[in-house]
Amino acid sequence: DGGITQSPKYLFRKEGQNVTLSCEQNLNHDAMYWYRQDPGQGLRLIYYSQIVNDFQKGDIAEGYSVSREKKESFPLTVTSAQKNPTAFYLCASRAAVNTEAFFGQGTRLTVV
Amino acid sequence: KQEVTQIPAALSVPEGENLVLNCSFTDSAIYNLQWFRQDPGKGLTSLLLIQSSQREQTSGRLNASLDKSSGRSTLYIAASQPGDSATYLCAVRRTGGGNKLTFGTGTQLKVEL
Repeated sequence: DGGITQSPKYLFRKEGQNVTLSCEQNLNHDAMYWYRQDPGQGLRLIYYSQIVNDFQKGDIAEGYSVSREKKESFPLTVTSAQKNPTAFYLCASRAAVNTEAFFGQGTRLTVV
Repeated sequence: KQEVTQIPAALSVPEGENLVLNCSFTDSAIYNLQWFRQDPGKGLTSLLLIQSSQREQTSGRLNASLDKSSGRSTLYIAASQPGDSATYLCAVRRTGGGNKLTFGTGTQLKVEL
């Protein structure tokens, strides 16, 4: 089945640790996105990539890093510099500007 | 800066009722608008995509309209069912700037038996 797979579903981070969230798609989409969702707020864009080996900061990139070495993969690293990382993280992809965006099932990150 | 607002934030209706969810945006320079459904603890499921040149799109019991000049979209759900209970989000794709999506905060819908 084609789609977007995020892993893990749940992730726990200790203070001062870096953690990496995985996002893989087999839809052959060029563009991929990472969003953060907090209760009572809309989704906020962290990073996006329109093509392999290229990515841009979104609205809340501080404390996060990404890579796009392969078309199908767009991992997100939450660094220790992110002061409030507890949130629900969503990965999305799309084929072209005028097409639908598709989302993965999300990763819930909790700081312990 | 594009801002997207969804009213109401929550809505409860009896089964079988027809209902309308509202989405407004401040900047009419958009490529398209997309409606999503989100179940608790899950990702987003795409419902309908309306291009900026279109007035409406239909899928089954769902009908979405777009009035770009006034910055408004509505999602009409006919003959609501308990399975329609979820949070509904709208998002607009801005022209330029990486073609990013800007989301509203959603309307939480509950359809009661």
